[in-house]
Amino acid sequence: DAGVTQSPTHLIKTRGQQVTLRCSPKSGHDTVSWYQQALGQGPQFIFQYYEEEERQRGNFPDRFSGHQFPNYSSELNVNALLLGDSALYLCASEQRQGGYEQYFGPGTRLTVT
Amino acid sequence: TQLLEQSPQFLSIQEGENLTVYCNSSSVFSSLQWYRQEPGEGPVLLVTVVTGGEVKKLKRLTFQFGDARKDSSLHITAAQPGDTGLYLCAGANRGGATNKLIFGTGTLLAVQP
Repeated sequence: DAGVTQSPTHLIKTRGQQVTLRCSPKSGHDTVSWYQQALGQGPQFIFQYYEEEERQRGNFPDRFSGHQFPNYSSELNVNALLLGDSALYLCASEQRQGGYEQYFGPGTRLTVT
Repeated sequence: TQLLEQSPQFLSIQEGENLTVYCNSSSVFSSLQWYRQEPGEGPVLLVTVVTGGEVKKLKRLTFQFGDARKDSSLHITAAQPGDTGLYLCAGANRGGATNKLIFGTGTLLAVQP
């Protein structure tokens, strides 16, 4: 049973560019959440997708957007990258009608220079 | 705004010692999850506690959820070098549209052989 997968594992971008990160949820899961984790800190909630719609959003600007596809996979897009966007981006999946548990992927390390 | 504070922030101990990590909030959560994260990887779920006063054991790890569901603790008995990592608590509030996780500040544990 494959767990949550993310791609790419590492990415280097220049300030002002745009980036797309991808996530495939754990088998049987229909809800995907994205988190940003700066070095030495706990993850911060960006947004959550269910039934191809953004259901809740954390305190992140509109430069951060996402999408969920019919197969439940998801993308995170960040426009006009800033140096401060450098972080580990984590995707977590869960089954909406299940328990409280979210399972995380290995993350994408984004470096903005 | 819901916040979770963990203490201590850093802990360096010798193999065989016992330790306790605390996770505190002024807010009530429906559930609380504990994760362990290794450098460059995503958080791995250790346990979920749901009921106030609940105690769960996972080998040498004991997790407790406070009676008022505002705090939790993680106790490790006879720590081993393999326990080294970043320990994160995360609170969730089920109900409504989503189940976003509020993460604590993290406790970085180093177990010396």
